[in-house]
Amino acid sequence: QVQLQESGPGLVKPSETLSLTCTVSGGSVSSDNYYWSWIRQPPGKGLEWIAYIYYSGSTKYNPSLKSRVTISVDMSNNQFSLRLSSVTAADTAVYYCARGVIDSSGYYSGAFDRWGQGILVTVSS
Amino acid sequence: SYELTQPPSVSVSPGQTARITCSGDALPKQYAYWYQQKPGQAPILVIYKDTERPSGIPERFSGSSSGTTVTLTISGVQAEDEADYYCLSADSSGTWVFGTGTKVTVL
Repeated sequence: QVQLQESGPGLVKPSETLSLTCTVSGGSVSSDNYYWSWIRQPPGKGLEWIAYIYYSGSTKYNPSLKSRVTISVDMSNNQFSLRLSSVTAADTAVYYCARGVIDSSGYYSGAFDRWGQGILVTVSS
Repeated sequence: SYELTQPPSVSVSPGQTARITCSGDALPKQYAYWYQQKPGQAPILVIYKDTERPSGIPERFSGSSSGTTVTLTISGVQAEDEADYYCLSADSSGTWVFGTGTKVTVL
C-alpha cells in the first residue's frame, strides 16, 4: 500500500521560504503511471492545487503561485519537495502531497488517489 | 482565472438523495473529479472522469455531466456521508482547479 508523508517546519516567518518534503513509501516516485502534486487548504477554506512533477522532471505550476513555487523530485530518496518563497500570512494552510494517476493514453488525470495526512504550516513572526 | 462554482451547502435526510452541482465553462471539454473530505482528514476521490467510481467507493455515489454542469449524486444518503465535497477540473491551459466546495449535512 503506497503511503505519502509530508515533513517540514510547521512555522515559517513572513518573507522567508517554506520548504516541505513528501516521502513516498510502498511505491516509487519514478513510476511511469503516476505524477506527484502539492495541494493546500487554508484553515476553514477550500482546496488549492499548487504544482505537479513527473519523475522525468516535467512540471506544471498554478499560475497564481508560479513566480514563488519550485517543485522537485529526489528519486534516490523516493521523495518530492515544494519550495514556496516570500511567504505571507495568506500562505498559512494545511499542505498535502498527493499522487496523480496517468492513464494508459498518457493523460495526466485529476484522479489523486493517494494523499498524505497533511501538514499545517503557519506563517507568523 | 477559471472558477468552478458549487452550492455552499446541501441538506438531506437519511435515505434520501443528495445532488451536488459544479458549474464551469470548460466542463464540456474537461473531465471532472469529485472528492469527499471529512473534518481533519485528507480528501478521498469518489468519482473520476465524470462518471467512474474508484474501487472501494460505495455504489450510492454516482456522477453525471451535462454541458457546463457536472453533478455528484449520493443515493440513499447515510450519516457517514456528511462531509465537504469538492469538484476538480482543468482550465484550458491544463491547470487543475478545485470547486468552491459543498458542505453536505445529513439531517
